[in-house]
Amino acid sequence: QPALTQPASVSGSPGQSITISCTGSSRDVGGYSVVSWYQQHPDKAPKVIIYEVNRRPSGVSTRFSGSKSGNTASLTISGLQVGDEAYYYCCSYAGRSSVVFGGGTKLTVL
Amino acid sequence: QMEESGGGVVQPGTSVRLSCAASGFSFSSYAMHWVRQAPGKGLEWVALISKDGDNEFYAESVRGRLTISRDDSKNTLFLQMNSLRSEDTAVYYCAKGMGGRDFWYFDQWGRGTLVSVSS
Repeated sequence: QPALTQPASVSGSPGQSITISCTGSSRDVGGYSVVSWYQQHPDKAPKVIIYEVNRRPSGVSTRFSGSKSGNTASLTISGLQVGDEAYYYCCSYAGRSSVVFGGGTKLTVL
Repeated sequence: QMEESGGGVVQPGTSVRLSCAASGFSFSSYAMHWVRQAPGKGLEWVALISKDGDNEFYAESVRGRLTISRDDSKNTLFLQMNSLRSEDTAVYYCAKGMGGRDFWYFDQWGRGTLVSVSS
């Protein structure tokens, strides 16, 4: 059972915005600002799109944004594109020199 | 760029050693990780080794059975896997930690190597 809870799936139409939640506890998401998000297309390696809660690596579209409130982190994708269809995973530092991932969310762009 | 190797079909209770050859960046300057993904499942962090190789950290599920190491002279990361179990079946990715204090973020990934534990 993944330590962080994400919705199994979300969907949206091109141009719309969606938000994916990632709920943990005070031992992980709520206790540290060490949250990242990864995008994974089928049969591909993951790619970091958000780190340190809300920072974007160079080259990542500004359509991706992150936030955190209490024990829940969120990823928002605005102006949905067909190419955004993928799995998204959150990740948080969990103390004792370890990190935990969420179970992943499948984004479908209708 | 990073490329994993060493995966395959192995029997329960046996051992295997994975390698990850890195290029295109100063390997010795970065912490490195192994992350795995069971077939059709999500990501699971496995292990971290510091950039100087002096510190290793493991997920509870693998502690005592898996060992991460590095050879900076060969720009290579390793994962020694002992006492393998069926639940270790997964694609194993090596991942580079971001620089400095941001080493818990994985900014480069290999393509992965599949380890299948089956009798």
